[in-house]
Amino acid sequence: EDKVVQSPLSLVVHEGDTVTLNCSYEVTNFRSLLWYKQEKKAPTFLFMLTSSGIEKKSGRLSSILDKKELSSILNITATQTGDSAIYLCAVTVTGTASKLTFGTGTRLQDTL
Amino acid sequence: NAGVMQNPRHLVRRRGQEARLRCSPMKGHSHVYWYRQLPEEGLKFMVYLQKENIIDESGMPKERFSAEFPKEGPSILRIQQVVRGDSAAYFCASSPWGIGGETQYFGPGTRLLVL
Repeated sequence: EDKVVQSPLSLVVHEGDTVTLNCSYEVTNFRSLLWYKQEKKAPTFLFMLTSSGIEKKSGRLSSILDKKELSSILNITATQTGDSAIYLCAVTVTGTASKLTFGTGTRLQDTL
Repeated sequence: NAGVMQNPRHLVRRRGQEARLRCSPMKGHSHVYWYRQLPEEGLKFMVYLQKENIIDESGMPKERFSAEFPKEGPSILRIQQVVRGDSAAYFCASSPWGIGGETQYFGPGTRLLVL
């Protein structure tokens, strides 16, 4: 069975910190890895990483895919209050018509 | 461009009743996915549909649950004879195409509470 594990489960940060969130996966025929941010409502798409695009960056957020280690990290620099959310990692595999398999998420909380 | 729409946002049902959850994909999207999020758990895939076709229902419970995406109108997730364990947030996502188009855009979810 496909498996996605995220760590840590939760994290408390101070404004201005840099944080690293981890995602590892055990799947057959990996195709892509996606990061989402979930606040109170809908998960919001952040990045998609594939064999042809293993590093993505947008503002203070960046992500790297390590296909050898079957993992990915999501970095957030200079954290702000608005970064408080649950960060979800999901993977897709070939031949399953884009079904997303999610990890349980990392809850990022600020001390403010 | 309106995002994925779901309604109702909150739904309360008593055990044994039926729940109908609706999802309108983003404009131009013809692929719809349903996910369930139980309390303190991650999102779990339920079903993937295109217009008038169920493509993958491997995550759907065999009994009481059904889904459709008619030629006209929203996608419907139907739960018959609800039980307390069905209480969860149900999210719909859409994408412009299926295989190779993994970027799915999510709706705000329907929070189902079964009393």
